[in-house]
Amino acid sequence: DAGVTQSPTHLIKTRGQQVTLRCSPKSGHDTVSWYQQALGQGPQFIFQYYEEEERQRGNFPDRFSGHQFPNYSSELNVNALLLGDSALYLCASSLGGAIKNIQYFGAGTRLSVL
Amino acid sequence: GNSVTQMEGPVTLSEEAFLTINCTYTATGYPSLFWYVQYPGEGLQLLLKATKADDKGSNKGFEATYRKETTSFHLEKGSVQVSDSAVYFCALRVGGGNKLTFGTGTQLKVEL
Repeated sequence: DAGVTQSPTHLIKTRGQQVTLRCSPKSGHDTVSWYQQALGQGPQFIFQYYEEEERQRGNFPDRFSGHQFPNYSSELNVNALLLGDSALYLCASSLGGAIKNIQYFGAGTRLSVL
Repeated sequence: GNSVTQMEGPVTLSEEAFLTINCTYTATGYPSLFWYVQYPGEGLQLLLKATKADDKGSNKGFEATYRKETTSFHLEKGSVQVSDSAVYFCALRVGGGNKLTFGTGTQLKVEL
């Protein structure tokens, strides 16, 4: 049973570019959340997707956008990259929106903005 | 707003020593509390959780008790192993949805 998979593992971009990160949820899961983890910090919640809609959003500018596909996989898009966007981006999946459901995390995509 | 405060690391212990990692929180509402562990190069793994006051979460010899009166959820283990070396994150969730609010993490190093 595959867990949460993210691609690519590492990515290098330059300031002002756009980037797309991808996430496949754990088998049987239908909800995907994205987090940004800066070096030496805890993860910060970006947003959550369920039934192909953004359901909850953290304190991130609208340069950060996402999408969920009918197969429950998800993309995170970041436009007009800033140096401060350099971080580990984590995807987490769970089943439904129930508060008791556990989130399973992928290993992340490390984005470096030069 | 919601926030989590953890003791700063790194925490360095000898194998078989007793571990405590402090975690306190502030929350608007009644949170569920979690401890996640992150091994090098891996994603976060849920270690244990508690959903109401006085609940004790436990897993793999680790345990933490939800203390509403002190707004704390300290992580403890009676005898650590080298394989426990990792970064530990305390987190909370309030209300519906999936948003987890994390602390800054505490690195644990266990030496022989």
